[in-house]
Amino acid sequence: AQSVTQLGSHVSVSEGALVLLRCNYSSSVPPYLFWYVQYPNQGLQLLLKYTSAATLVKGINGFEAEFKKSETSFHLTKPSAHMSDAAEYFCAVKGRRALTFGSGTRLQVQP
Amino acid sequence: EAGVAQSPRYKIIEKRQSVAFWCNPISGHATLYWYQQILGQGPKLLIQFQNNGVVDDSQLPKDRFSAERLKGVDSTLKIQPAKLEDSAVYLCASSSLAGTYEQYFGPGTRLTVT
Repeated sequence: AQSVTQLGSHVSVSEGALVLLRCNYSSSVPPYLFWYVQYPNQGLQLLLKYTSAATLVKGINGFEAEFKKSETSFHLTKPSAHMSDAAEYFCAVKGRRALTFGSGTRLQVQP
Repeated sequence: EAGVAQSPRYKIIEKRQSVAFWCNPISGHATLYWYQQILGQGPKLLIQFQNNGVVDDSQLPKDRFSAERLKGVDSTLKIQPAKLEDSAVYLCASSSLAGTYEQYFGPGTRLTVT
C-alpha cells in the first residue's frame, strides 16, 4: 500500500524567503508522485509531477521538487516566496488506482 | 478546454436528510473520481469510475452513500441519510486513460450537515 507523510501542518515564511515543504512517501512499487495546491474555496491544482524521468521536476509558479529514492522523499521548494503562494499544499502518491494524499501543509507568507 | 464542473458549490442540510452532488468531467476523460475532504485533512477517495463501470468503491460507506455514472460522462453522488460527520468538501476529479495519471479537480461542493 502507498502512503504519504507531510511534515509540518503549518509553515510560515517571509516574502522573498525560501519555501521548503516536506513530503515522504511509502510505496511498494516505483512511485508516481504529485504536488497539488489548493487555494481557499477552490479545488486542487497540479503543481508538478514525478513519473520516473528526471529526478528534479520543475512545475508551475516557480516551484520544483526533487525525488530522492534513498530518502523516500519528494520535497517541494521555491527559491523566493510570494504573497500569492499562500495556500494549502498536498503531496500525493499514485496507488494501484487512485491517488493517496498527505494531510496537507498550510503555507503562510508574511510581508 | 473546459475544466471539471461541479454543482452545487455549497449545501446545508439537516442530519437524516438526503443530498445529491453532480459532476461533469473534462470532455473525453474516461476516469472519474469522487473524493471526500474533511476539514484539515487531505482528500480521501470514495469511488472511482472508468467509463460507466466502478473500478474501486472500497472506501464508500455503502449503507448511506451511492454514486452512478450514466453513459460514462456525468456522475452523481448521493448521501441518504446524512450524518453530522459527512460535513466535508466533496471533490470530483477526472483523468484520461493516456498520459501519466494526473487528475484534474473540480471546485468541490462544501456540505454542512447540522
